[in-house]
Amino acid sequence: EAGVAQSPRYKIIEKRQSVAFWCNPISGHATLYWYQQILGQGPKLLIQFQNNGVVDDSQLPKDRFSAERLKGVDSTLKIQPAKLEDSAVYLCASSLGFEVDEKLFFGSGTQLSVL
Amino acid sequence: GQQVMQIPQYQHVQEGEDFTTYCNSSTTLSNIQWYKQRPGGHPVFLIQLVKSGEVKKQKRLTFQFGEAKKNSSLHITATQTTDVGTYFCARGASKIIFGSGTRLSIRP
Repeated sequence: EAGVAQSPRYKIIEKRQSVAFWCNPISGHATLYWYQQILGQGPKLLIQFQNNGVVDDSQLPKDRFSAERLKGVDSTLKIQPAKLEDSAVYLCASSLGFEVDEKLFFGSGTQLSVL
Repeated sequence: GQQVMQIPQYQHVQEGEDFTTYCNSSTTLSNIQWYKQRPGGHPVFLIQLVKSGEVKKQKRLTFQFGEAKKNSSLHITATQTTDVGTYFCARGASKIIFGSGTRLSIRP
């Protein structure tokens, strides 16, 4: 079974530039999550999708971050403009969904460095 | 709020010693999940606990869910170098919120 795919693996940008991350969840997984993990901290939930609808985006800095999950499969997370404090690993995870199976499967993440 | 607190933040043990990490919540949890993240890797699901007082074992790992469903623990018996990593608890039920983790390092 293929896992959660993420790209790119690494990205280095300068502050005020824009960047986009891509995620392809496990086939059949209804729920998709984007987490931000700053070095030495636990993953912080940014946004959660159920199929192609947003379930929770209360921790997403909406003035600079945006995410979409077209057709309820792939998802992209965008940052524009980036700030130094956005340097982190961005993890995508998927699950069968609440009330079915909440076990999360994570991708390898995108390590973002903002200079 | 919805946070879960983990202690200790770090634990450095001699290989063969036991290790325990604790997860606490101020509110009742619907369930608790545990994940392991190896250095440079991504979190990997270990287990989910749902019932009050539940105890589950996976080889040398023992997971407990408190009677009041406000705390949980992970105990590793006789640690090995392969146990190195950060262990996270996460509260579930519609969205998964992670604790800050306990980083385990081991002296061979």
